[in-house]
Amino acid sequence: AQSVAQPEDQVNVAEGNPLTVKCTYSVSGNPYLFWYVQYPNRGLQFLLKYITGDNLVKGSYGFEAEFNKSQTSFHLKKPSALVSDSALYFCAVRPTTSGTYKYIFGTGTRLKVLA
Amino acid sequence: DAGVTQSPTHLIKTRGQQVTLRCSPKSGHDTVSWYQQALGQGPQFIFQYYEEEERQRGNFPDRFSGHQFPNYSSELNVNALLLGDSALYLCASSFNTYTGELFFGEGSRLTVL
Repeated sequence: AQSVAQPEDQVNVAEGNPLTVKCTYSVSGNPYLFWYVQYPNRGLQFLLKYITGDNLVKGSYGFEAEFNKSQTSFHLKKPSALVSDSALYFCAVRPTTSGTYKYIFGTGTRLKVLA
Repeated sequence: DAGVTQSPTHLIKTRGQQVTLRCSPKSGHDTVSWYQQALGQGPQFIFQYYEEEERQRGNFPDRFSGHQFPNYSSELNVNALLLGDSALYLCASSFNTYTGELFFGEGSRLTVL
């Protein structure tokens, strides 16, 4: 079965320190990969995506993500965390199988940045 | 430029009732998807509409149905509500491309008592 795993329910990091939020996936082929952020009682906001090309992609608010095909991972990173980055982060995968339009989301990782 | 708008934002129903949720996509978008997000979970795909047709459906019973109108707006209908249908229902719009990201509304929070 196709799935996305976010192994950490919560990640705590001190403000100014680098952060990493992990994501691995089990989807055949070469899926498209996405990160979204959700603030309390809000919808999801797009951060970045990997379609093809350079394994390091840059996105909104200083976030970047590293794609590793051999490990089927797409970890979200930021060099210096801000308190305002505290939110719920979702990794999502879109299979590229013909006729497939759904996105598969992980269960989310709560990021808490401590002042 | 208005983003994705959903209504109502909150609603409370009782078991067995029916509910209709509405969504207007972001300007220029022609594809609408619906997701269910239970508390503490990631969004689960319900279905996607394009050109007024249901193009793909997730693992949801027939009690969940939808519609897309010529102006690309969409409705999600849920019949015979169960307690387990309590969730945040998210509408997402996109261009009809494989590489386009989804743009989400703020959701409709449904509570079934």
